[in-house]
Amino acid sequence: KAGVTQTPRYLIKTRGQQVTLSCSPISGHRSVSWYQQTPGQGLQFLFEYFSETQRNKGNFPGRFSGRQFSNSRSEMNVSTLELGDSALYLCASSLWASGSYEQYFGPGTRLTVT
Amino acid sequence: SQQGEEDPQALSIQEGENATMNCSYKTSINNLQWYRQNSGRGLVHLILIRSNEREKHSGRLRVTLDTSKKSSSLLITASRAADTASYFCATDNPQGGSEKLVFGKGTKLTVNP
Repeated sequence: KAGVTQTPRYLIKTRGQQVTLSCSPISGHRSVSWYQQTPGQGLQFLFEYFSETQRNKGNFPGRFSGRQFSNSRSEMNVSTLELGDSALYLCASSLWASGSYEQYFGPGTRLTVT
Repeated sequence: SQQGEEDPQALSIQEGENATMNCSYKTSINNLQWYRQNSGRGLVHLILIRSNEREKHSGRLRVTLDTSKKSSSLLITASRAADTASYFCATDNPQGGSEKLVFGKGTKLTVNP
């Protein structure tokens, strides 16, 4: 079974730009969660999608948004990038609710904002 | 905000020794999970322990859960250099009306050959 894939793996953007990250979950997994990881704040939950619906959302500004498609693939978008958005963005899929089932993580997208 | 807090923040041991990491959390939980992360990569799931379980084993890993103390421990026996990684505990938060996972800041384990 193919694992979780994330594209692109690395990205360099300028302040004020916007970015879209993509995540393809494991086949059959319906839940996709996104996390931001930084040295200072650690792993922070962004949002979770299940069957194309956002089920949970973390404490991030409205500049962070996401969506899930009917094939469970998910995208997250960050608009008006700030330097502090530089981070490793991790996507994870699980069979059902992320709290109750093990999550399978992708390799992450390393975003650098200059 | 972090639900789980790992202790210690960093641990350095020799190959063959046992490594113990602790996790404390604040609210009641349904499940607690442990993950490993090699430098700058995605996380790998190690063990999920449910609130009605006290201990779980998987190979060289042993996880305990004490819901009365709101704490869990991860024991890695006979450590190897390949165990060098950061280890995170993660909990759900059913009382918060959310099943999302909340991760601690992790314990960085270094196993010296």
